[in-house]
Amino acid sequence: DAGVIQSPRHEVTEMGQEVTLRCKPISGHDYLFWYRQTMMRGLELLIYFNNNVPIDDSGMPEDRFSAKMPNASFSTLKIQPSEPRDSAVYFCASSLGAEQFFGPGTRLTVL
Amino acid sequence: SQKIEQNSEALNIQEGKTATLTCNYTNYSPAYLQWYRQDPGRGPVFLLLIRENEKEKRKERLKVTFDTTLKQSLFHITASQPADSATYLCAPGTGSGGSYIPTFGRGTSLIVHP
Repeated sequence: DAGVIQSPRHEVTEMGQEVTLRCKPISGHDYLFWYRQTMMRGLELLIYFNNNVPIDDSGMPEDRFSAKMPNASFSTLKIQPSEPRDSAVYFCASSLGAEQFFGPGTRLTVL
Repeated sequence: SQKIEQNSEALNIQEGKTATLTCNYTNYSPAYLQWYRQDPGRGPVFLLLIRENEKEKRKERLKVTFDTTLKQSLFHITASQPADSATYLCAPGTGSGGSYIPTFGRGTSLIVHP
């Protein structure tokens, strides 16, 4: 298995633009997590899904953030409109048990 | 609110010595605790999990302890090597029956000097 796949790896955009981050979890995993990592706040859980259903989105910072998982092999995290304070590395992770497998992350820069 | 504390200062040690990293938590009663390794520009990688009813767990040169009274976990790397240099994240968690939801600390950077 190729592991968790995220795209794009780097994204530079201007304030106000829509940003869509993509994630393909490991086949067979039933949990999918979206995290954001910054120097100031560390690794924060934004939202997680179980069997494609959102379970807890209390970590989503604002209504500008939304996430979907239309099927077991794909998830998106959308920011609309983006702001400079959204600049961070966004990780997707999947799991079947306690061990989480992380993707390489998407480094987002909002100018 | 839950608070997880890891030493924000980097730990510098000489090759061959034992590295010990500390994780303290408050306002939290985790059922288990995980440790992850993160290299620059990469996602965290799982190392070990220890449950609340376990005092100690070992894996090769790694040893983790979990003291639920002190609300503390210690992570040891024996015979450290420069390749062990990375950031180590502590992640206590709750859940059972297939649901495991950890909360990550901010990590401690370990630098092993040859």
